[in-house]
Amino acid sequence: AQKVTQAQTEISVVEKEDVTLDCVYETRDTTYYLFWYKQPPSGELVFLIRRNSFDEQNEISGRYSWNFQKSTSSFNFTITASQVVDSAVYFCALVFYGGSQGNLIFGKGTKLSVKP
Amino acid sequence: DVKVTQSSRYLVKRTGEKVFLECVQDMDHENMFWYRQDPGLGLRLIYFSYDVKMKEKGDIPEGYSVSREKKERFSLILESASTNQTSMYLCASTLDGLYEQYFGPGTRLTVT
Repeated sequence: AQKVTQAQTEISVVEKEDVTLDCVYETRDTTYYLFWYKQPPSGELVFLIRRNSFDEQNEISGRYSWNFQKSTSSFNFTITASQVVDSAVYFCALVFYGGSQGNLIFGKGTKLSVKP
Repeated sequence: DVKVTQSSRYLVKRTGEKVFLECVQDMDHENMFWYRQDPGLGLRLIYFSYDVKMKEKGDIPEGYSVSREKKERFSLILESASTNQTSMYLCASTLDGLYEQYFGPGTRLTVT
């Protein structure tokens, strides 16, 4: 079965703290893609990153970084020096090769609140 | 930039009404999707389309139908709205099934 688990339902931090959002996935396929999306209070999901299953290099984009570990089936997302504008719901998602036309399998999301 | 637009941000309808939600994308994407989002349940796929006039059921198609007459437009139809269809509806599109999906701003539908 294909599944994405985001165990943290809500996280609250104070501005400038670092925060890591966990994502654990299950799939039998060897070819798959993982994604992170941000949903701010306005409601629109914003694409953040796509990573394929053959590329385990960590990625950094400004204050955002992603740690992909196939050995633990995890694709964690870290925000360094968090800011109030980072407050949002973050979704991790999976699509696997051979899945029906690229249906994304979403986790339930983690709500991040960054307080000033 | 990819642009996905939805016809309404907020909509209030009565039980039994026929409801149309429209979605338009401007990037010539093959695949389009309709999701609903509910607290505690995350995003659930209702229907998707990988080509004009083609459609496939997602995880929760009951009570919904879709129409894709043109490549850029994907409509979600609630044949007879019910209160349990009160939800946030999100449309998305992608060039290829293994690429990222781009989402519209969402329609918050309330059925009374």
